[in-house]
Amino acid sequence: EPEVTQTPSHQVTQMGQEVILRCVPISNHLYFYWYRQILGQKVEFLVSFYNNEISEKSEIFDDQFSVERPDGSNFTLKIRSTKLEDSAMYFCASRDRGGAYGYTFGSGTRLTVV
Amino acid sequence: QKEVEQNSGPLSVPEGAIASLNCTYSDRGSQSFFWYRQYSGKSPELIMSIYSNGDKEDGRFTAQLNKASQYVSLLIRDSQPSDSATYLCAVSQRQAGTALIFGKGTTLSVSS
Repeated sequence: EPEVTQTPSHQVTQMGQEVILRCVPISNHLYFYWYRQILGQKVEFLVSFYNNEISEKSEIFDDQFSVERPDGSNFTLKIRSTKLEDSAMYFCASRDRGGAYGYTFGSGTRLTVV
Repeated sequence: QKEVEQNSGPLSVPEGAIASLNCTYSDRGSQSFFWYRQYSGKSPELIMSIYSNGDKEDGRFTAQLNKASQYVSLLIRDSQPSDSATYLCAVSQRQAGTALIFGKGTTLSVSS
């Protein structure tokens, strides 16, 4: 079964440092997403990406966040200057055009900011 | 603000019983509805999707949608201990492209 792959699985960074979280969506999917889940809280939408541009973003996705699809397979989330409150599990998801199979989530990257 | 509400639980049922999970949503423009299962420390895993009013069955799972009442439910028949997890209700406005809005989830515990 096709999978969404995320790397690294766990990243520890110091406050103020830049981090890049990486995702390889399912190859024939067209819509890409980043979500985050702070420990004990709900899954929150950050941003969606379609046709090489941001199609929707939430209030959480401020200027310190950016996304990129640098080639035909990778999809990255960059956090420019991490804060303690950025500590969370970050999930990448992708979806095909028809969406019959819903949104497929990757296994996540646990980001710990110290 | 678009909201998805779920009873956080825990919902405790004995093995073999029916577990009933409920969800309400605020945005009347919502068109796509999903149930995900999430084990502790893991990513959400899609169980069911439903787009039309009525029931949709898949194995032991039945999703029910009532758009007039803005209500979605998930029934799990013959519950197993392996069904113990947090069940997330998620909603989006269109069938493709738009973001999923999640509820906080209902924790289900199935005792053997």
